[in-house]
Amino acid sequence: SAVISQKPSRDICQRGTSLTIQCQVDSQVTMMFWYRQQPGQSLTLIATANQGSEATYESGFVIDKFPISRPNLTFSTLTVSNMSPEDSSIYLCSVERVYNEQFFGPGTRLTVL
Amino acid sequence: GQQLNQSPQSMFIQEGEDVSMNCTSSSIFNTWLWYKQDPGEGPVLLIALYKAGELTSNGRLTAQFGITRKDSFLNISASIPSDVGIYFCAGFSGSARQLTFGSGTQLTVLP
Repeated sequence: SAVISQKPSRDICQRGTSLTIQCQVDSQVTMMFWYRQQPGQSLTLIATANQGSEATYESGFVIDKFPISRPNLTFSTLTVSNMSPEDSSIYLCSVERVYNEQFFGPGTRLTVL
Repeated sequence: GQQLNQSPQSMFIQEGEDVSMNCTSSSIFNTWLWYKQDPGEGPVLLIALYKAGELTSNGRLTAQFGITRKDSFLNISASIPSDVGIYFCAGFSGSARQLTFGSGTQLTVLP
């Protein structure tokens, strides 16, 4: 498996502000991902965080709203920009350690007022 | 996009009972994963399946990769209170190059 930490664990933010979420892994990994889990829902992939190049975004998610950085093989950040109440969700990072097996961090619980 | 139909949506069972849940898809997957998510936590990987027909156990948990590669089930035997949580299936398709998650099964174990 993998030891994955996320900061912050939760936050309450005002509409129109931005929040940057950090994801740290205990060892180098090639593949890192960011997911959103809306209240009572399943997980939806936002993007794949690529080291040394721009993230690959899924349909419905854009870089201006969810900029992602991946400066090295153990760290990534996701920013939720210009937040609205609809952005209230759990944001999860994951890594692929073994072929197709993803391991998840504890999540960041975001509430936007 | 690809979709996974997971059922049941929720289950209420008595402690000691066995549980079964499943996922079906219209698409073929080459990997099936089962996760459990406790409140306030991220999903934890329980079982990974890679071959059609494969049957894998992890303690009281048993999962199978359907022979058509379009379905999978998870069984929990002799349920205990700590089995409470949300169980997600997830499938990986080589064509989509991403993990697709089912809608989840909320399990409640009554004493």
